Amino acid sequence: EMQLVDSGGGLVKPGGSLRLSCAASGFTISAYRMNWVRQAPGKGLEWVSIISASSSYMFYADSLNGRFTISRDNAKNSLYLQMNSLRAEDTAVYYCARLIPTAIGHDAFDIWGQGTLVTVS
Amino acid sequence: EIVLTQSPATLSLSPGERATLSCRASQSVSSYLAWYQQKPGQAPTLLIYDASNRATGIPARFSGSGSGTDFTLTISSLEPEDFAVYYCQQRSNWSWTFGQGTKVEIK
Repeated sequence: EMQLVDSGGGLVKPGGSLRLSCAASGFTISAYRMNWVRQAPGKGLEWVSIISASSSYMFYADSLNGRFTISRDNAKNSLYLQMNSLRAEDTAVYYCARLIPTAIGHDAFDIWGQGTLVTVS
Repeated sequence: EIVLTQSPATLSLSPGERATLSCRASQSVSSYLAWYQQKPGQAPTLLIYDASNRATGIPARFSGSGSGTDFTLTISSLEPEDFAVYYCQQRSNWSWTFGQGTKVEIK
């Protein structure tokens, strides 16, 4: 079974840092673009960041203002999100998600982790 | 930035009824639209991609349609497990955005 398992969340004070991890099983992440998507309590989904299969490019949501860094270790089949200068508005469940290409050149998030809760307070 | 607006915010229906959910984009996204289902306490699940293609394992009662700026997710006959929140999603350049969601609740 293809699966993503998120970990690393917790309670952190404003201005603090946290590193999230996402471990894949049942498939090899090296062939895929990987992402982080977050969801504030009771709110909708917000895309956070993407990293290419070979780490040749990364992109981030404008709202992050350079505070987060996405990375991956294909040898460990894992994805990471380093979050610095955390603010109360970063409080959310963070999901890692696999992005797959579609036949007509689009893409979609087809596998999601179970999420890890980050609380900034 | 392309904004996705979903309507209605809440849909109150009974099992067996037909559900019609709308997603409108602030500018054309061609057929670049996906739909996800999220149940309480769970991660989202991909239902539909490229506006009208069902993802692997998704029942035929789920269908998507539309192109350009107006899209629809239809659930032909609601099953008890279909009561959930549904999100549409698009990509524009290097940014992926979601609608605010439609909650389908039991009437």
